This record gives sequence, structure tokens and C-alpha cells, in this order.
Amino acid sequence: GAVVSQHPSRVICKSGTSVKIECRSLDFQATTMFWYRQFPKKSLMLMATSNEGSKATYEQGVEKDKFLINHASLTLSTLTVTSAHPEDSSFYICSARTSGRVQETQYFGPGTRLLVL
Amino acid sequence: QQQVKQSPQSLIVQKGGISIINCAYENTAFDYFPWYQQFPGKGPALLIAIRPDVSEKKEGRFTISFNKSAKQFSLHIMDSQPGDSATYFCAASIHRGGNTPLVFGKGTRLSVIA
Repeated sequence: GAVVSQHPSRVICKSGTSVKIECRSLDFQATTMFWYRQFPKKSLMLMATSNEGSKATYEQGVEKDKFLINHASLTLSTLTVTSAHPEDSSFYICSARTSGRVQETQYFGPGTRLLVL
Repeated sequence: QQQVKQSPQSLIVQKGGISIINCAYENTAFDYFPWYQQFPGKGPALLIAIRPDVSEKKEGRFTISFNKSAKQFSLHIMDSQPGDSATYFCAASIHRGGNTPLVFGKGTRLSVIA
């Protein structure tokens, strides 16, 4: 299957700082990438959908000024958590999908564990 | 409104037994139904997927059964092994004519005991 990487895998930061998470599709071009947030023992909550070269579409209740998403190329999307606070601590997972193919699906990255102190 | 309902929330199965996880959906426009397996601290991995034009799909020990009229689909894990212990998520999306993200069920924590 297709490979999606995330960096970093784990980050600890102080409250008030900004954290950038990278998501890369390694062996395919992803016109669409998705960012999810997952709390312990819970399901994945979609935060936003990003299409290469255009603004991300955020889900209801997700602050776009806090969670900045940039999909600058067909293989890279970044999520920046600005002015992070302890309540932002979570497991962030990206996924990537190409469009135009009926059988295509979403492939997920390994996730990034964010801990805000 | 929860678009994909998954049950049970947790499941304990003896080694060698059959694990069965069920999902039901509301939106009849859904045309793609994957199952994902997630180990602690890892991202979800695609296990198997089905489209509504078939009623069953089998890959190794994993089988999806699909009932379009009932808007239900299920995952069967045959000869369950301790290594299958993980959280399983069903999902649904619209592929034809759109680019919608996956809608996930709440997950089932499977424990396979020896």
C-alpha cells in the first residue's frame, strides 16, 4: 500500500509555543490530505481537508487560526498548532488520498503525539 | 448525528475463534466501506475495503459482509490470533463524483486471548 510519513512522531512543548507537524506521501502524489485528531481510546475526529494549492476546509468547531494547514505540494502538507495549550495535547494523524481513481482510499500516517506542558 | 454506528465497543475472543464487528450507516450515497486496524500509538492501517456492488469480500482471514438493503456491513476475522488484538474502525465515504473524507465509526477494541 501507499506510504505516508509524519514528522515528528512525538513532540513536547511549552504552553504558548507553536508546533509544526509535517505529513508526506512518499510514493504517490496526494491532491487531498486530511488531518485528524484522536483522543485516547476514541475515534478519529476530522479537523480539516486540504487540497494542494488551495485553502483548507475546516470542520465545524475547529479554529482555523489556531490550526494552520498548508498543502504546498502534492507530497507535503503541514499542520501548525499555534500558541499551543495543554488542551491541545493529543494524537494528530494525517492521511493522504489521490483523486480521480475510483478505487482510491485514504492512507494514514503513523501519527504525532503532542504534549503541551 | 452519527453517520456510521459501530458495535460492539469492545470484544474478547478466544484464540482460534471468530471475531465479528458490525457497522451500520445512514447515508445511502456512501459507496466505499473500508476497515482500518489501529495498534496503540500508531496510525490506522487499511485492512480491507468493499464497494456496494458486491456482498462479500475476503482477504486471507478477513472477510467483509455487506448488506445494502439493511445498510449494514461487518468484519469477520477467522482463526483470531493474539496479534489481531487492536482497535478496529469501520468507515464510509462517497467516492463517485466527490472527494469526501472518511466518516469513522467509534471503534471496537478487540482482545484475543490464548
